[in-house]
Amino acid sequence: EAGVVQSPRYKIIEKKQPVAFWCNPISGHNTLYWYLQNLGQGPELLIRYENEEAVDDSQLPKDRFSAERLKGVDSTLKIQPAELGDSAVYLCASSLARAGKSGETQYFGPGTRLLVL
Amino acid sequence: AQSVTQLDSQVPVFEEAPVELRCNYSSSVSVYLFWYVQYPNQGLQLLLKYLSGSTLVKGINGFEAEFNKSQTSFHLRKPSVHISDTAEYFCAVSHAGGTSYGKLTFGQGTILTVHP
Repeated sequence: EAGVVQSPRYKIIEKKQPVAFWCNPISGHNTLYWYLQNLGQGPELLIRYENEEAVDDSQLPKDRFSAERLKGVDSTLKIQPAELGDSAVYLCASSLARAGKSGETQYFGPGTRLLVL
Repeated sequence: AQSVTQLDSQVPVFEEAPVELRCNYSSSVSVYLFWYVQYPNQGLQLLLKYLSGSTLVKGINGFEAEFNKSQTSFHLRKPSVHISDTAEYFCAVSHAGGTSYGKLTFGQGTILTVHP
């Protein structure tokens, strides 16, 4: 079974430029997560989707970050414009979480390493 | 709000020695607990998780962890480590139910380095 797929794996851009990351979750997983991982830190949740609906985006900096999951499958996370402080690893994860249940395992992709110059 | 503290940022150990990676959490509600491992340039992989029942949880690669509710701890152990266990380990917690279920809060990570 294929795991969570992310692309690109690495991205270098200049500040103020836009950038987009793509994630394809494990087939059948209805819940998708985007995490931000700064160097030397644990991942922090940016946004969580259940199917097409963003059910938790409280940590997403909405002035420059946006995300979408139009058909309830793959998802795109965008930053516009990028700032130096956005340099980090962006992780996507998916799970088979069902409404009212918790504790489901989240499966992580390899991440996109972003460097903003 | 919930939080996780991993008490050691780095743990060096010799091959075949035992190891314990410490994790404490804080939460006002019932929680589920997880340990993930991250190898260089890879995503996180689940080692084990505690949802309910026996407080001693066994995971992959010979790791185990014990949930201690009174001490709010979930320490990870392995009786004999291998060079291949060199990686970063993250402890995480999620609420057991409620509107924020499924949201993982991670600790800062512990880098385990196994020396020959």
